[in-house]
Amino acid sequence: AQSVSQHNHHVILSEAASLELGCNYSYGGTVNLFWYVQYPGQHLQLLLKYFSGDPLVKGIKGFEAEFIKSKFSFNLRKPSVQWSDTAEYFCAVNARSNYQLIWGAGTKLIIKP
Amino acid sequence: DAGVIQSPRHEVTEMGQEVTLRCKPISGHNSLFWYRQTMMRGLELLIYFNNNVPIDDSGMPEDRFSAKMPNASFSTLKIQPSEPRDSAVYFCASSFDPKYEQYFGPGTRLTVT
Repeated sequence: AQSVSQHNHHVILSEAASLELGCNYSYGGTVNLFWYVQYPGQHLQLLLKYFSGDPLVKGIKGFEAEFIKSKFSFNLRKPSVQWSDTAEYFCAVNARSNYQLIWGAGTKLIIKP
Repeated sequence: DAGVIQSPRHEVTEMGQEVTLRCKPISGHNSLFWYRQTMMRGLELLIYFNNNVPIDDSGMPEDRFSAKMPNASFSTLKIQPSEPRDSAVYFCASSFDPKYEQYFGPGTRLTVT
């Protein structure tokens, strides 16, 4: 069965620190990859997506992610975080052959001012 | 674009009562998803509609839950009778194509006492 693993459930950083959140998936075929963010008390919003092409994808608010096919990974990065980045981040994957979006468990990010 | 619209935003009800949650997807989107989010189980897909037809309801917890999509611009999720363990945030999401990104509504926070 397909699965998505987010290695860190909680991450605490200081402002201006660099961020990398890990995401690995288990599926051997062609996939679409997503990162969503959920700010406290709000709904999920799309941060960025990868369908094909350049494996380095840039999203909103200075976030980027790199798709490494050989490692089945799609890690999220930001060079310098801000207090307003405090949120929960979800990685999601779907196989192009079907509709179902498989979600990671989420990573809660807390930025200390 | 107004985005995905859900109502009500908050619902507090007593055990045994019927609860109806409503969703209006983004115009032109042919796929609609109902999710439930809890601290214990994270984000769970309840049901997926494509072109108003239920395609996958394997995530619906039990017969107390039912969902309909009478037309392309409206869907309901009904719980009858409600139980305290149904307390959660229920999200509706829509997409242009089930393999592409999903856009989430603001959610309905349901509390069953």
